[in-house]
Amino acid sequence: QLQLQESGPGLVKASETLSLTCTVSGGSISSSSYFWVWIRQPPGKGLEWIGSVYYTGSTYYNPSLESRVTISGDSSKNQFSLKLSSVTAADTAVYFCGRDTAMTRTDYWGQGTLVTVSS
Amino acid sequence: QSALTQPASVSGSPGQSITISCSGTGSDVGGYNYVSWYQQHPGKAPKLMIYDVSNRPSGVSDRFSGSKSGNTASLTISGLQAEDEADYYCSSYTSRRTVIFGGGTRLTVL
Repeated sequence: QLQLQESGPGLVKASETLSLTCTVSGGSISSSSYFWVWIRQPPGKGLEWIGSVYYTGSTYYNPSLESRVTISGDSSKNQFSLKLSSVTAADTAVYFCGRDTAMTRTDYWGQGTLVTVSS
Repeated sequence: QSALTQPASVSGSPGQSITISCSGTGSDVGGYNYVSWYQQHPGKAPKLMIYDVSNRPSGVSDRFSGSKSGNTASLTISGLQAEDEADYYCSSYTSRRTVIFGGGTRLTVL
């Protein structure tokens, strides 16, 4: 059974870089069948797609975040990561990692991790 | 990219059917058969309920069904049960090779 687990600091200072890692077990991020995705949800609000990475290293980003986002994969650790620079309070959210099939559906999700941006 | 448009809330009594709409454009919902629906209970990760407009993943009740007409997709839940009370989100692949979500709909089972 595929499992994903987010990890990283729960508190980040404004203007700094948010960094999260998603560890995948029960499956390989090197599979050609899937994309690996980051999605966030501000408290009390809806879901926002951040972006995804394919096993080739190709990345796809939300245009509204593209200038600040980097998503990458590490096949040796079976992990993929998210970096979001120059954060503000608006970036406070629960961040989910997931497995996506051809960018058409996210069928496996991590439990999510709350990241709070402090001033 | 602007979020897909969903009603903020819908409600229904146990046993009834409800439908949640998801409106987009020809660059997302209308242009591809890649609409998905997710159910999210409070404090939990979303769960995939429908993909590719009308397909159900293994283990999802057949009370859940999806459809699409033009730029609007719909999720129908029949035989409402108390456990169906949750937030529901649609999503679509877009022509910019991105994914967009709807704003979410809170379903209340009366």
